[in-house]
Amino acid sequence: AQSVAQPEDQVNVAEGNPLTVKCTYSVSGNPYLFWYVQYPNRGLQFLLKYITGDNLVKGSYGFEAEFNKSQTSFHLKKPSALVSDSALYFCAVGSGAGSYQLTFGKGTKLSVIP
Amino acid sequence: KAGVTQTPRYLIKTRGQQVTLSCSPISGHRSVSWYQQTPGQGLQFLFEYFSETQRNKGNFPGRFSGRQFSNSRSEMNVSTLELGDSALYLCASSFQSSGTEAFFGQGTRLTVV
Repeated sequence: AQSVAQPEDQVNVAEGNPLTVKCTYSVSGNPYLFWYVQYPNRGLQFLLKYITGDNLVKGSYGFEAEFNKSQTSFHLKKPSALVSDSALYFCAVGSGAGSYQLTFGKGTKLSVIP
Repeated sequence: KAGVTQTPRYLIKTRGQQVTLSCSPISGHRSVSWYQQTPGQGLQFLFEYFSETQRNKGNFPGRFSGRQFSNSRSEMNVSTLELGDSALYLCASSFQSSGTEAFFGQGTRLTVV
């Protein structure tokens, strides 16, 4: 069975500072990893994914994530946080070929303080 | 390109009733998945349909069912509603399985009273 852990329920960061939202995963085989963001009363918006290739993945809105196979981690990062980045962030792992099922972490609430 | 459309956005139902939610995927997407989001349990996978066939099902009771039509539109049905079924129900579509990202609709907020 696959699983995702987001160890921090909430992350607070000052505007302009770098931010990191942590994610670790457990999956048999090669992982398909995703980050999504959710704003209040909205669905999930795709930020970035890792399927294969470079360990550093760049995504939307200046976000990036680093895949670390040995630590089974896929942390989300941004060099300079904006107040508008305040939202709920979800890490997810995808199932193998033949079916599409995402297993999500519990989510991390990011608050960027002006 | 239109996104994933879910209707209705909000629903209030009474315990014991049944409800049908609708999802129109992005044009060309053949995989449609459904998720339940609650404060306590987070995001949980309900089921996935591909070319009108259910390929995978999460750990939910048989009161939760779904189907997909030939145009890839999908519906999910919940019968004999319980208070605990109150949640945001999200639909996601993707072009193919596994390695492609899923695009989510804005969800249907179901309140059971």
